[in-house]
Amino acid sequence: DSGVTQTPKHLITATGQRVTLRCSPRSGDLSVYWYQQSLDQGLQFLIQYYNGEERAKGNILERFSAQQFPDLHSELNLSSLELGDSALYFCASSVGMVSNYGYTFGSGTRLTVV
Amino acid sequence: AQSVTQLDSQVPVFEEAPVELRCNYSSSVSVYLFWYVQYPNQGLQLLLKYLSGSTLVKGINGFEAEFNKSQTSFHLRKPSVHISDTAEYFCAVSGSGGYQKVTFGIGTKLQVIP
Repeated sequence: DSGVTQTPKHLITATGQRVTLRCSPRSGDLSVYWYQQSLDQGLQFLIQYYNGEERAKGNILERFSAQQFPDLHSELNLSSLELGDSALYFCASSVGMVSNYGYTFGSGTRLTVV
Repeated sequence: AQSVTQLDSQVPVFEEAPVELRCNYSSSVSVYLFWYVQYPNQGLQLLLKYLSGSTLVKGINGFEAEFNKSQTSFHLRKPSVHISDTAEYFCAVSGSGGYQKVTFGIGTKLQVIP
């Protein structure tokens, strides 16, 4: 157990629908990162939050949004889902804003859009 | 911006043989370098990291990596692999100092053959 908890582990939904993925960071970590992992594109950075505020954005679609709550858990909202959104979505956390401690990853949410 | 290239998508190797997984990076600034491992159906786990100092970095599970600034490489090595090392390995890079995004390579699948 890495200490980063992601729910649900698996999600199957239809095109056009909206889903919410949840992440609880490791105790003491203030930063949360969301990554999308697909076979053809590898691990793509989506967005980072630090202590409730958005800090960095990567290749995140406008249909996707995220937030970090006061208790530091984070949610990734994916709407108007398309078949191409099927992927593994990982949450990672770290102590601070900088990368030198490395990230702790959760075990991911596998999203299948049918 | 930084980028990272993992030169081999798959590396088959016999059990107890040595292995080297190659990683080259590109950056206009000083970097931090990381290797992560992903076992099947799990999130990524930090193997080792280079921040500064000695260019030979030792990590968990008997792995080590050497930072070579002139060749912009950070190859991962293990002198004798076990079946349990079968996994996907990701090289990652970020700029050093202040906030810097971490960029991951596409991954190398290590297949240890009994």
